[in-house]
Amino acid sequence: DAGVIQSPRHEVTEMGQEVTLRCKPISGHDYLFWYRQTMMRGLELLIYFNNNVPIDDSGMPEDRFSAKMPNASFSTLKIQPSEPRDSAVYFCASTTGGPSYEQYFGPGTRLTVT
Amino acid sequence: SQQGEEDPQALSIQEGENATMNCSYKTSINNLQWYRQNSGRGLVHLILIRSNEREKHSGRLRVTLDTSKKSSSLLITASRAADTASYFCATDKGGSYIPTFGRGTSLIVHP
Repeated sequence: DAGVIQSPRHEVTEMGQEVTLRCKPISGHDYLFWYRQTMMRGLELLIYFNNNVPIDDSGMPEDRFSAKMPNASFSTLKIQPSEPRDSAVYFCASTTGGPSYEQYFGPGTRLTVT
Repeated sequence: SQQGEEDPQALSIQEGENATMNCSYKTSINNLQWYRQNSGRGLVHLILIRSNEREKHSGRLRVTLDTSKKSSSLLITASRAADTASYFCATDKGGSYIPTFGRGTSLIVHP
């Protein structure tokens, strides 16, 4: 298996633009997590899905952020409009068996908003 | 707020020495996990220890859990330069099962 796949790996955009981050979880994994990592705040859970259904989005910072999982092999995290404070590394992770089990992380998307 | 916090924030040792990192948490847990993150990469799972376990080993890694003190330690024996990375503990809150990550310990192993 190729592991969790994220795209793009790097994204540079201007303030106000829409940004879409993509994730393909490991086949057979029924939980998918989106995280944001910054020096200031560490690794924060934004939202997680179980069987394609959003379970907890309490970590989504504001309405500018939205996430979808249209099927078991694809998820998106969208920021519209983007702001400089959204600059961070965004990770997708997947697991099976339950949310508290071993998570497999993707390589991350480094987002820079100028 | 963070459920788990690692200590120390940074650790610098020589190759061949042992490295010990600690994690303290606030509320009861189901599982505690340790992850490693190399610079510019995603996190990699190292070990999961359940609340009814006291010690687990994996290769050069030894994890202990003391639920009475709400703390865990990760010991890396005979460290190598390749062990240079940040190490994170992830703890779930007993009822939610959702793991939260600490700020990490940055380990540097000098060759």
